[in-house]
Amino acid sequence: ETGVTQTPRHLVMGMTNKKSLKCEQHLGHNAMYWYKQSAKKPLELMFVYSLEERVENNSVPSRFSPECPNSSHLFLHLHTLQPEDSALYLCASSQDAARGGGNQYFGPGTRLLVL
Amino acid sequence: AQKITQTQPGMFVQEKEAVTLDCTYDTSDQSYGLFWYKQPSSGEMIFLIYQGSYDEQNATEGRYSLNFQKARKSANLVISASQLGDSAMYFCAMRDLADQTGANNLFFGTGTRLTVIP
Repeated sequence: ETGVTQTPRHLVMGMTNKKSLKCEQHLGHNAMYWYKQSAKKPLELMFVYSLEERVENNSVPSRFSPECPNSSHLFLHLHTLQPEDSALYLCASSQDAARGGGNQYFGPGTRLLVL
Repeated sequence: AQKITQTQPGMFVQEKEAVTLDCTYDTSDQSYGLFWYKQPSSGEMIFLIYQGSYDEQNATEGRYSLNFQKARKSANLVISASQLGDSAMYFCAMRDLADQTGANNLFFGTGTRLTVIP
């Protein structure tokens, strides 16, 4: 059983909607990540939080807004998305990103379709 | 900047046979880590095996082994005695172990889809 859970597993939204993706890790890790996986492209790192502070934002459009209220929870707030944002969004966690971190453990992902 | 190349978009293997999935990387870093992940159709990325750049021996984890050739910058995954449940996407990834930014970035390849034939 995975130690990282994501909800919802599937999401269909219109371009004017506002929705949020949720990730929760039960592994006692202190770093969490959001990745975007599009067809036939490498996974793209979107955001990294270490000890609840954002340490990386790889030039992600502002229509994606992350939130990390504590070390166990990570959210991705979505608003006015575009059809090209349709993808699998994966959450991951690891121990101590600041020191090069350990292995990243992934959740099952949220498959997002923007109409 | 790191770059991971997986040249095999798809591979087929007969059940119980061994298969090698290719991965080459490009980096100027001296200290780095190489990972393989499995992604079944359910979507979850499952960690399989890890190799550090300074590890002298090839990593092994059960039926998985990593054929690490540092001079060639390759880190191929070998799966022995393939099983039907091994059918999935396989991703090679790399991380700079000396990264001081705190980002712990993993750089992924485009993946190889493995199909195990009964």
